[in-house]
Amino acid sequence: DAKTTQPNSMESNEEEPVHLPCNHSTISGTDYIHWYRQLPSQGPEYVIHGLTSNVNNRMASLAIAEDRKSSTLILHRATLRDAAVYYCILRGIQGAQKLVFGQGTRLTINP
Amino acid sequence: DAGVIQSPRHEVTEMGQEVTLRCKPISGHNSLFWYRQTMMRGLELLIYFNNNVPIDDSGMPEDRFSAKMPNASFSTLKIQPSEPRDSAVYFCASRGLRGRHEAFFGQGTRLTVV
Repeated sequence: DAKTTQPNSMESNEEEPVHLPCNHSTISGTDYIHWYRQLPSQGPEYVIHGLTSNVNNRMASLAIAEDRKSSTLILHRATLRDAAVYYCILRGIQGAQKLVFGQGTRLTINP
Repeated sequence: DAGVIQSPRHEVTEMGQEVTLRCKPISGHNSLFWYRQTMMRGLELLIYFNNNVPIDDSGMPEDRFSAKMPNASFSTLKIQPSEPRDSAVYFCASRGLRGRHEAFFGQGTRLTVV
């Protein structure tokens, strides 16, 4: 499985934008970039995914570098409820389609 | 839909006992995943099924662990005999048909083996 690298932790302030980076230099052409997050005492939840183009949904935006070797999850206006561990995951569309989680980034939001 | 349902939510058992964790995936989903989460090792994929068939069980730690999916609406993860190092939160997740990207996780079962 292609690997991803994320900072262990990040901190931001409430109502400010948050940019969570992810490096995936060994990504293949058929790998989708997925983001999940895990709130305290809950199971992971899907946030967003993309292949080549930037993506927006009600939760976040995903900015993908032109060479696809890195991506950034953007929370436009963080709230205290966004405090969680955020996971960047690569998932291929060929063969095994399993989701393999790394260590993720623990995001702290200050009031 | 009620989402992915796991039972029990908490289980405390003595070392050597058999433990069975249960999962009901979202109706219509054809992929099911079992994960284990500990502080030391994070979220580990144990096994996953497609259309009730085990596809990859390379994450199953030992022969003491076994998983079954007798039909599309039910799966079990069994540990026999259990050991203290099996203490963890076990998550089940399901995903829809090919082309559907989002996986949905249950609330987890917190297992404590004493």
